[in-house]
Amino acid sequence: SQQGEEDPQALSIQEGENATMNCSYKTSINNLQWYRQNSGRGLVHLILIRSNEREKHSGRLRVTLDTSKKSSSLLITASRAADTASYFCAYTGGGNKLTFGTGTQLKVEL
Amino acid sequence: NAGVTQTPKFQVLKTGQSMTLQCAQDMNHEYMSWYRQDPGMGLRLIHYSVGAGITDQGEVPNGYNVSRSTTEDFPLRLLSAAPSQTSVYFCASSYWTSGMSSYEQYFGPGTRLTVT
Repeated sequence: SQQGEEDPQALSIQEGENATMNCSYKTSINNLQWYRQNSGRGLVHLILIRSNEREKHSGRLRVTLDTSKKSSSLLITASRAADTASYFCAYTGGGNKLTFGTGTQLKVEL
Repeated sequence: NAGVTQTPKFQVLKTGQSMTLQCAQDMNHEYMSWYRQDPGMGLRLIHYSVGAGITDQGEVPNGYNVSRSTTEDFPLRLLSAAPSQTSVYFCASSYWTSGMSSYEQYFGPGTRLTVT
């Protein structure tokens, strides 16, 4: 399977702390995306980083990409209870298939 | 815009029954896809389409059929349901350009299917 892996599988933090989750993949990629899924709902796109980019920011989100290590990280700064969700990376190697990672469950406690 | 819609939201089938999960989008997206989500396994691609009349297999296509007669609709057919097909099914759509990498995917709310 070419499915990516994410770690940690679960993460519990206090509100105001930063949350970091990591994604490792197995193939060469054109871009990598991060999605959020609230319980029982569809996924929502957060950010896309291209293979020639090393870092990208969007609001409280910071994504890094290291193609030599085939890995990416998502940092959420100053977490809020509303950030509680599952987070997935997804990537494509240039074909038409998007492959998702196994996800990180984030819980932000008040 | 309604975005991506899926029906039904919930379905219970008996082993051997067939059914069609409906998916429609009103964003004029060329690319549509079906995923299944099982605990601890993320999303796995079942089938996808890059335009009307064009479909292809994903990672886990066995037991499922698709067709794309219009840009808007992409139904998923379960031919003979099995308990292993108990899952949550998501439809997604996006823009697509030949030779380009993927774009942001827009997801439907999902269909929760139980096969007994």
